[in-house]
Amino acid sequence: DSGVTQTPKHLITATGQRVTLRCSPRSGDLSVYWYQQSLDQGLQFLIQYYNGEERAKGNILERFSAQQFPDLHSELNLSSLELGDSALYFCASSAMTGNRMNTEAFFGQGTRLTVV
Amino acid sequence: AQTVTQSQPEMSVQEAETVTLSCTYDTSENNYYLFWYKQPPSRQMILVIRQEAYKQQNATENRFSVNFQKAAKSFSLKISDSQLGDTAMYFCAFTSYTGAGSYQLTFGKGTKLSVIP
Repeated sequence: DSGVTQTPKHLITATGQRVTLRCSPRSGDLSVYWYQQSLDQGLQFLIQYYNGEERAKGNILERFSAQQFPDLHSELNLSSLELGDSALYFCASSAMTGNRMNTEAFFGQGTRLTVV
Repeated sequence: AQTVTQSQPEMSVQEAETVTLSCTYDTSENNYYLFWYKQPPSRQMILVIRQEAYKQQNATENRFSVNFQKAAKSFSLKISDSQLGDTAMYFCAFTSYTGAGSYQLTFGKGTKLSVIP
């Protein structure tokens, strides 16, 4: 168990709908990352939050948004869903603070999103 | 921009043999970390090994070791005495501090390793 919790584990929804994926980082970890992994593909970096603030943005679509709350959990919102958004969405957290990278990123089990 | 390249989409190895997975990266940073993650069929991402760029000594974790060539920007993973449980997708990853609490953790496209009985 990595200590990172993602809910739900599976989600099936229709095109055009909106969903929210939730991530609870390891206790004490300030950094949260979101990644998208399509079938048989690598991990595409979406966005990073650090202590409630957005710090880095990857190839995240405008239909997608995220936030990190004061209790450090994070949510990834996906709207106007398309068939191509079907993927495994990972959340990862790390204890990276300031300019010191003293640990690796720990991954949740992922949320498998299927858009039909 | 940071990029990570894994040139071997698929590899196979006989059980108990040794296999090496390749990874190259591109960065202008001097201080960074490199990782190998394993993703078995369960899709869980599991850290295998990590290497700090400022350390010349190659990291080892039991049967897993790396060959880190900083000048060549190469970071290969060697798996000795391969076991059936090593069958998985292996991702090379790179991270560096980019300022203001921001870290970019970039992954390669992965190498699918099959261990054959």
